[in-house]
Amino acid sequence: DIQMTQSPSFLSASVGDRVTINCKASQNINRYLNWYQQKLGEAPKLLIYNANSLQTGIPSRFSGSGSGTDFTLTISSLQPEDVATYFCLQHNSWPYTFGAGTKLELK
Amino acid sequence: QVQLKETGPGLVQPTQTLSITCTVSGFSLTSYYMQWVRQTPGKGLEWMGFIRSGGSTEYNSEFKSRLSISRDTSKNQVFLKMNSLKTEDTGVYYCARDHILWPWDAWGQGASVTVSS
Repeated sequence: DIQMTQSPSFLSASVGDRVTINCKASQNINRYLNWYQQKLGEAPKLLIYNANSLQTGIPSRFSGSGSGTDFTLTISSLQPEDVATYFCLQHNSWPYTFGAGTKLELK
Repeated sequence: QVQLKETGPGLVQPTQTLSITCTVSGFSLTSYYMQWVRQTPGKGLEWMGFIRSGGSTEYNSEFKSRLSISRDTSKNQVFLKMNSLKTEDTGVYYCARDHILWPWDAWGQGASVTVSS
Protein backbone atom coordinates (compact mmCIF):
# COMPACT_ATOMS: atom_id res chain seq x y z
CA ASP A 1 0.00 0.00 0.00
CA ILE A 2 1.09 3.59 -0.65
CA GLN A 3 1.70 5.48 2.57
CA MET A 4 0.90 9.20 2.65
CA THR A 5 2.89 11.22 5.17
CA GLN A 6 1.32 14.62 5.79
CA SER A 7 3.00 17.48 7.63
CA PRO A 8 2.61 19.36 9.80
CA SER A 9 -0.15 17.80 11.92
CA PHE A 10 -0.97 21.16 13.44
CA LEU A 11 -0.41 24.67 12.16
CA SER A 12 -1.07 28.04 13.75
CA ALA A 13 -0.88 31.10 11.50
CA SER A 14 -2.10 34.69 11.30
CA VAL A 15 -4.52 36.25 8.85
CA GLY A 16 -2.59 37.17 5.72
CA ASP A 17 0.15 34.57 6.25
CA ARG A 18 1.33 32.23 3.52
CA VAL A 19 0.65 28.67 4.64
CA THR A 20 2.06 25.45 3.21
CA ILE A 21 1.03 21.87 3.91
CA ASN A 22 2.91 18.88 2.56
CA CYS A 23 2.12 15.31 1.59
CA LYS A 24 4.78 12.78 0.75
CA ALA A 25 3.94 9.49 -0.92
CA SER A 26 5.91 6.31 -0.24
CA GLN A 27 6.10 5.68 -3.99
CA ASN A 28 5.43 7.49 -7.26
CA ILE A 29 1.79 8.54 -7.61
CA ASN A 30 2.34 10.73 -10.69
CA ARG A 31 -0.01 13.68 -10.21
CA TYR A 32 -2.94 11.70 -8.80
CA LEU A 33 -3.30 13.66 -5.59
CA ASN A 34 -6.22 15.68 -4.27
CA TRP A 35 -6.41 18.21 -1.43
CA TYR A 36 -9.50 18.67 0.74
CA GLN A 37 -10.73 21.07 3.39
CA GLN A 38 -12.93 19.67 6.13
CA LYS A 39 -14.85 21.65 8.72
CA LEU A 40 -16.55 20.00 11.68
CA GLY A 41 -19.77 18.29 10.70
CA GLU A 42 -19.43 19.18 7.03
CA ALA A 43 -18.63 17.19 3.92
CA PRO A 44 -14.99 17.34 2.83
CA LYS A 45 -14.60 20.00 0.16
CA LEU A 46 -12.34 19.42 -2.84
CA LEU A 47 -9.81 22.23 -3.25
CA ILE A 48 -7.22 20.85 -5.67
CA TYR A 49 -7.35 17.78 -7.89
CA ASN A 50 -4.59 16.06 -9.81
CA ALA A 51 -1.93 17.92 -7.82
CA ASN A 52 -2.41 21.40 -9.25
CA SER A 53 -5.89 21.85 -10.75
CA LEU A 54 -8.05 24.30 -8.83
CA GLN A 55 -11.58 23.02 -8.33
CA THR A 56 -14.34 25.26 -9.68
CA GLY A 57 -15.46 27.83 -7.14
CA ILE A 58 -12.39 27.58 -4.92
CA PRO A 59 -10.61 30.90 -4.24
CA SER A 60 -7.38 31.44 -6.13
CA ARG A 61 -5.42 31.83 -2.87
CA PHE A 62 -5.40 28.02 -2.80
CA SER A 63 -2.87 26.30 -5.04
CA GLY A 64 -1.24 22.92 -5.34
CA SER A 65 2.09 21.74 -6.67
CA GLY A 66 4.21 18.65 -6.96
CA SER A 67 4.40 15.35 -8.77
CA GLY A 68 5.82 11.91 -8.13
CA THR A 69 6.15 11.68 -4.37
CA ASP A 70 6.17 15.23 -3.00
CA PHE A 71 3.18 17.55 -2.98
CA THR A 72 2.32 20.91 -1.45
CA LEU A 73 -0.88 22.80 -0.76
CA THR A 74 -0.36 26.55 -0.43
CA ILE A 75 -2.71 29.18 0.90
CA SER A 76 -1.22 32.45 -0.29
CA SER A 77 -2.95 34.73 2.20
CA LEU A 78 -4.75 33.04 5.07
CA GLN A 79 -8.33 34.13 5.71
CA PRO A 80 -10.39 33.49 8.88
CA GLU A 81 -12.71 31.16 6.97
CA ASP A 82 -9.75 28.90 6.12
CA VAL A 83 -9.64 27.54 9.68
CA ALA A 84 -10.25 23.84 9.10
CA THR A 85 -8.55 20.48 8.78
CA TYR A 86 -6.85 19.74 5.47
CA PHE A 87 -6.01 16.31 4.09
CA CYS A 88 -4.60 14.75 0.95
CA LEU A 89 -5.79 11.71 -0.99
CA GLN A 90 -3.77 9.63 -3.44
CA HIS A 91 -5.94 8.16 -6.19
CA ASN A 92 -3.13 6.73 -8.32
CA SER A 93 -3.82 3.14 -7.33
CA TRP A 94 -5.95 1.27 -4.89
CA PRO A 95 -6.05 0.85 -2.02
CA TYR A 96 -6.41 4.62 -2.16
CA THR A 97 -4.86 6.24 0.89
CA PHE A 98 -5.07 9.48 2.81
CA GLY A 99 -2.81 11.79 4.73
CA ALA A 100 -3.46 12.01 8.46
CA GLY A 101 -4.61 15.63 8.24
CA THR A 102 -3.39 19.09 9.19
CA LYS A 103 -5.39 21.14 11.66
CA LEU A 104 -5.06 24.82 10.78
CA GLU A 105 -5.84 27.42 13.41
CA LEU A 106 -5.56 31.18 13.67
CA LYS A 107 -2.79 32.60 15.82
CA GLN B 1 -27.13 20.69 -7.86
CA VAL B 2 -25.00 17.73 -6.90
CA GLN B 3 -25.91 16.21 -3.53
CA LEU B 4 -24.91 13.06 -1.68
CA LYS B 5 -26.43 12.06 1.62
CA GLU B 6 -25.61 9.08 3.77
CA THR B 7 -28.18 7.58 6.10
CA GLY B 8 -27.46 4.88 8.62
CA PRO B 9 -28.60 3.34 11.90
CA GLY B 10 -26.44 5.42 14.25
CA LEU B 11 -25.93 2.61 16.74
CA VAL B 12 -25.10 -1.00 15.91
CA GLN B 13 -24.32 -3.87 18.25
CA PRO B 14 -21.06 -5.79 17.99
CA THR B 15 -21.21 -8.79 15.62
CA GLN B 16 -24.18 -7.25 13.80
CA THR B 17 -24.37 -5.94 10.23
CA LEU B 18 -24.05 -2.28 9.27
CA SER B 19 -26.20 -0.95 6.44
CA ILE B 20 -25.73 2.56 5.08
CA THR B 21 -27.48 4.15 2.11
CA CYS B 22 -26.01 6.94 0.00
CA THR B 23 -28.75 8.82 -1.85
CA VAL B 24 -27.55 11.05 -4.66
CA SER B 25 -29.07 13.76 -6.83
CA GLY B 26 -27.89 15.97 -9.64
CA PHE B 27 -25.99 13.27 -11.49
CA SER B 28 -26.33 9.70 -12.72
CA LEU B 29 -24.81 6.67 -10.99
CA THR B 30 -24.23 5.19 -14.44
CA SER B 31 -21.74 7.96 -15.21
CA TYR B 32 -19.67 7.94 -12.01
CA TYR B 33 -17.83 5.56 -9.77
CA MET B 34 -19.05 5.76 -6.18
CA GLN B 35 -16.50 5.45 -3.44
CA TRP B 36 -16.93 4.58 0.23
CA VAL B 37 -14.57 5.92 2.88
CA ARG B 38 -14.65 5.81 6.64
CA GLN B 39 -12.99 7.92 9.32
CA THR B 40 -12.28 6.22 12.63
CA PRO B 41 -10.50 7.43 15.75
CA GLY B 42 -7.98 4.62 15.48
CA LYS B 43 -7.02 4.72 11.80
CA GLY B 44 -8.19 8.04 10.40
CA LEU B 45 -9.48 8.05 6.83
CA GLU B 46 -9.65 4.63 5.14
CA TRP B 47 -10.78 3.78 1.65
CA MET B 48 -13.27 0.91 1.78
CA GLY B 49 -14.24 0.23 -1.81
CA PHE B 50 -16.12 1.42 -4.86
CA ILE B 51 -18.77 0.51 -7.37
CA ARG B 52 -18.05 1.37 -10.97
CA SER B 53 -20.43 3.20 -13.30
CA GLY B 54 -21.07 -0.19 -14.91
CA GLY B 55 -21.90 -1.83 -11.58
CA SER B 56 -18.82 -3.93 -10.81
CA THR B 57 -17.05 -3.49 -7.48
CA GLU B 58 -13.61 -3.37 -5.89
CA TYR B 59 -12.85 -3.63 -2.19
CA ASN B 60 -10.01 -2.82 0.14
CA SER B 61 -8.59 -6.16 1.25
CA GLU B 62 -8.84 -4.88 4.83
CA PHE B 63 -12.63 -5.21 4.53
CA LYS B 64 -13.08 -7.58 1.62
CA SER B 65 -14.35 -10.54 3.57
CA ARG B 66 -17.13 -8.63 5.29
CA LEU B 67 -17.97 -5.73 2.95
CA SER B 68 -20.52 -5.47 0.15
CA ILE B 69 -21.31 -2.46 -2.06
CA SER B 70 -24.33 -2.39 -4.35
CA ARG B 71 -26.70 0.11 -5.91
CA ASP B 72 -30.20 0.77 -7.24
CA THR B 73 -29.86 3.17 -10.14
CA SER B 74 -33.64 3.65 -10.37
CA LYS B 75 -33.63 5.07 -6.85
CA ASN B 76 -30.26 6.89 -7.19
CA GLN B 77 -28.96 4.95 -4.19
CA VAL B 78 -25.73 3.18 -3.33
CA PHE B 79 -25.55 0.73 -0.46
CA LEU B 80 -22.79 -0.30 1.91
CA LYS B 81 -23.18 -3.42 4.02
CA MET B 82 -20.54 -4.64 6.41
CA ASN B 83 -20.96 -7.60 8.73
CA SER B 84 -19.28 -8.82 11.91
CA LEU B 85 -18.96 -5.33 13.33
CA LYS B 86 -16.45 -4.58 16.07
CA THR B 87 -16.13 -1.58 18.38
CA GLU B 88 -13.21 -0.34 16.27
CA ASP B 89 -15.60 0.08 13.34
CA THR B 90 -17.04 3.10 15.16
CA GLY B 91 -16.64 6.18 13.01
CA VAL B 92 -18.08 8.29 10.23
CA TYR B 93 -18.85 6.67 6.89
CA TYR B 94 -18.76 8.73 3.70
CA CYS B 95 -19.75 8.20 0.09
CA ALA B 96 -18.06 10.20 -2.65
CA ARG B 97 -18.42 10.35 -6.39
CA ASP B 98 -15.47 9.79 -8.70
CA HIS B 99 -14.89 10.40 -12.39
CA ILE B 100 -11.73 10.16 -14.43
CA LEU B 101 -12.06 13.85 -15.34
CA TRP B 102 -13.24 15.07 -11.91
CA PRO B 103 -11.76 12.65 -9.42
CA TRP B 104 -13.39 12.39 -6.00
CA ASP B 105 -15.03 15.80 -6.41
CA ALA B 106 -18.08 15.56 -4.18
CA TRP B 107 -18.68 13.89 -0.83
CA GLY B 108 -21.60 13.43 1.48
CA GLN B 109 -21.63 14.78 5.03
CA GLY B 110 -21.13 11.32 6.43
CA ALA B 111 -23.11 8.92 8.59
CA SER B 112 -21.92 8.55 12.15
CA VAL B 113 -21.90 4.96 13.39
CA THR B 114 -21.27 3.75 16.92
CA VAL B 115 -20.65 0.07 17.53
CA SER B 116 -21.58 -0.69 21.10
CA SER B 117 -23.66 -3.05 23.15
